Amino acid sequence: AQKITQTQPGMFVQEKEAVTLDCTYDTSDPSYGLFWYKQPSSGEMIFLIYQGSYDQQNATEGRYSLNFQKARKSANLVISASQLGDSAMYFCAMREEGSYIPTFGRGTSLIVHP
Amino acid sequence: GAVVSQHPSWVICKSGTSVKIECRSLDFQATTMFWYRQFPKQSLMLMATSNEGSKATYEQGVEKDKFLINHASLTLSTLTVTSAHPEDSSFYICSARDRGLAGFVPSTDTQYFGPGTRLTVL
Repeated sequence: AQKITQTQPGMFVQEKEAVTLDCTYDTSDPSYGLFWYKQPSSGEMIFLIYQGSYDQQNATEGRYSLNFQKARKSANLVISASQLGDSAMYFCAMREEGSYIPTFGRGTSLIVHP
Repeated sequence: GAVVSQHPSWVICKSGTSVKIECRSLDFQATTMFWYRQFPKQSLMLMATSNEGSKATYEQGVEKDKFLINHASLTLSTLTVTSAHPEDSSFYICSARDRGLAGFVPSTDTQYFGPGTRLTVL
């Protein structure tokens, strides 16, 4: 079974608007971490944001925020005020307790158009 | 932040030749490095985990003799694709774990990714 599911293969958003990228996960461990990475066309993986399973508040990093709904096992990434440079692949990942190897989702391709 | 480099950034080779890809942690010591493979528009697939001074641990389905991994020092791991074939063409990405972070550190990101190497086998 997929541990990380990203159901949106592609998303389009207009510049300056907000966009939500979906991510659901599956684990029975009480302690885990959730990550979002951005991969532009150049290929490098850029860490965006982290959410711990015990964190009470949703993580935020600048224009990025993570909508963490633990009961629903979802960790959606919200990008506010989209910029053209946000066009990239976005990967959700989870790392379970005791492991430092994350499991990645299939990714969502985001295209920001003017 | 921590920096991981990969060399070369891209390589084109003939079928049957071997290609070596280097992954270096530039400003920290990495006890563990990871090698991933990524096909176009697909996710990262973990190939192997390499620990300094010991044999790499390969994921199921990854040929050990095909993808040779050497982690000779705390700052360098190499992946050698032996007798490369066109189906080995892919994007190879390494990541490194900071030695200073022991155990399961749930907070923040303890892996730092290299920029990747694009391999094309003709």
